[in-house]
Amino acid sequence: DVKVTQSSRYLVKRTGEKVFLECVQDMDHENMFWYRQDPGLGLRLIYFSYDVKMKEKGDIPEGYSVSREKKERFSLILESASTNQTSMYLCASSLGRGGVGTNQPQHFGDGTRLSIL
Amino acid sequence: DAKTTQPNSMESNEEEPVHLPCNHSTISGTDYIHWYRQLPSQGPEYVIHGLTSNVNNRMASLAIAEDRKSSTLILHRATLRDAAVYYCILRDSWDAGNMLTFGGGTRLMVKP
Repeated sequence: DVKVTQSSRYLVKRTGEKVFLECVQDMDHENMFWYRQDPGLGLRLIYFSYDVKMKEKGDIPEGYSVSREKKERFSLILESASTNQTSMYLCASSLGRGGVGTNQPQHFGDGTRLSIL
Repeated sequence: DAKTTQPNSMESNEEEPVHLPCNHSTISGTDYIHWYRQLPSQGPEYVIHGLTSNVNNRMASLAIAEDRKSSTLILHRATLRDAAVYYCILRDSWDAGNMLTFGGGTRLMVKP
């Protein structure tokens, strides 16, 4: 089975801190995604990557950046954390590149519940 | 992506079959029907997907209407572990963004 591992289940940080969320997948998937999930707003895509060192903005990239130095690892960075970034953050991966293989299922980690105080 | 409509909630008894409906009347010819579920305090989990024919896997079955305007996710014997929010979504074959967009989903409650 595909395993997507997020580094922390719960994280508490202070306003203004730089925050790193790490995600590792073990199935050699090309695509990796970062979402946030908030009550009433559903799942929103922050960034995705379809290859090493490649990244594309999702719907809500402001205040975030990402890094993909190795195929199996996709990091989300909150440059200067703010209280409106308190949320559940979900990492996912899938096979396929860009528009090809878009019907490959996405496999999610268990999420990181981040609180910014 | 085209819109889907699901009931807000459903109840089932343990070890009985569950049929979760989804309406997608504006589905296009290149849209696949995907189902995910999300257990409490966990990330979403892929369940099944299909295009036109009915599909079976170890988790569930997907029955797709002949006109493709609706589909039904079938859990053959519900267990307490199946209590989750179930999301039906449509994904275009050539969606370059490759992202998932979840609607409200159906909250399934399983009674012992």
